[in-house]
Amino acid sequence: GDSVTQMEGPVTLSEEAFLTINCTYTATGYPSLFWYVQYPGEGLQLLLKATKADDKGSNKGFEATYRKETTSFHLEKGSVQVSDSAVYFCALSPHGSGNTGKLIFGQGTTLQVKP
Amino acid sequence: EPEVTQTPSHQVTQMGQEVILRCVPISNHLYFYWYRQILGQKVEFLVSFYNNEISEKSEIFDDQFSVERPDGSNFTLKIRSTKLEDSAMYFCASSADSAQETQYFGPGTRLLVL
Repeated sequence: GDSVTQMEGPVTLSEEAFLTINCTYTATGYPSLFWYVQYPGEGLQLLLKATKADDKGSNKGFEATYRKETTSFHLEKGSVQVSDSAVYFCALSPHGSGNTGKLIFGQGTTLQVKP
Repeated sequence: EPEVTQTPSHQVTQMGQEVILRCVPISNHLYFYWYRQILGQKVEFLVSFYNNEISEKSEIFDDQFSVERPDGSNFTLKIRSTKLEDSAMYFCASSADSAQETQYFGPGTRLLVL
């Protein structure tokens, strides 16, 4: 079945460092891809999304490109801040007839940014 | 900004007891979801709900689970006879007018079954 795999955390970076969190997926058809972020004590918030191959999602300095050939959707940010410390979830939503919009999540990657 | 709310934030119950987790989705949304996250594990889809009926459910969502939209605002998840392995964070989500729209999540209810 469909699945998402993320790199293991935690990831610890210094402020202004470059961030990459790897995400690969397995799916039939052409899923939509998402990154959600969970700040301490809060629910999941959509960070960015891409709905078709080669689309780039971006928000708050974060970017991810839908790569069909490598089935990947890696999250990047050029310069992280302490306020980016959170848990990041990669997710997919299958496409096709009967799709109900359910999300299939990766295991989450904890990012800790130190001043 | 509209948000999804969930109550209670924490619930402790004895094994075998019934629990009802409550969610108030964003008011004009039509698609509703429950997910759960066992500590240290992935967020898992439980059920989707549209037009007053279940549109999809996972293998986890067995006969002890049920969902209901009792009025125009609430969306509930009932666990009929809780088990130790039901201990998890339960998230409610809603989306606007199609299954492809962005899902907005509530802050979750942490359920502990003793």
